[in-house]
Amino acid sequence: EAGVTQFPSHSVIEKGQTVTLRCDPISGHDNLYWYRRVMGKEIKFLLHFVKESKQDESGMPNNRFLAERTGGTYSTLKVQPAELEDSGVYFCASSSRTSGNTGELFFGEGSRLTVL
Amino acid sequence: GENVEQHPSTLSVQEGDSAVIKCTYSDSASNYFPWYKQELGKRPQLIIDIRSNVGEKKDQRIAVTLNKTAKHFSLHITETQPEDSAVYFCAARGGGGKLIFGQGTELSVKP
Repeated sequence: EAGVTQFPSHSVIEKGQTVTLRCDPISGHDNLYWYRRVMGKEIKFLLHFVKESKQDESGMPNNRFLAERTGGTYSTLKVQPAELEDSGVYFCASSSRTSGNTGELFFGEGSRLTVL
Repeated sequence: GENVEQHPSTLSVQEGDSAVIKCTYSDSASNYFPWYKQELGKRPQLIIDIRSNVGEKKDQRIAVTLNKTAKHFSLHITETQPEDSAVYFCAARGGGGKLIFGQGTELSVKP
């Protein structure tokens, strides 16, 4: 079974440009999460989808970040326009519906974003 | 808001020694506490978890303890090996449902 896959693995862009990160969760997983880790700090929650609906987007930093999950399958996270402080590793994770609130999260390998 | 503090940020031990990583959490409604291991260049992976109705759980060389009164939980690795070298993250799932992670501990096991 394929794990959570993320694309691209690394993106280098200039301040003001746009980047779109993609996450393909494990097939059948209704829960999809985006997290971000800035170097040396915690893995910080951004938002949570249940199928195509945003369950919790309390961690989204500002309106330059837009996450979508059309059809309840893969998800995209767009940053527009990117700022220097957006640099970090963006992790996607998924879990099954039956895991409820205590289930294991399966992580992707992350997308490293560098904004110059 | 919800917060998880993790210490130390770096830990270096000799092979065969024990390693202990400690976390505290702020949300008293938290009921699930997983630990993830991230090897260099790889994805974080669950290594052990504990629920709030249990005080201790062990799996071979790793164990986790939970003190709900003090809102502390700890990871213990015995007989450390070089392949235990990685970044370890603790996390807590609170009343809001999402996992809140600590800052990570970079463990280095020297042969």
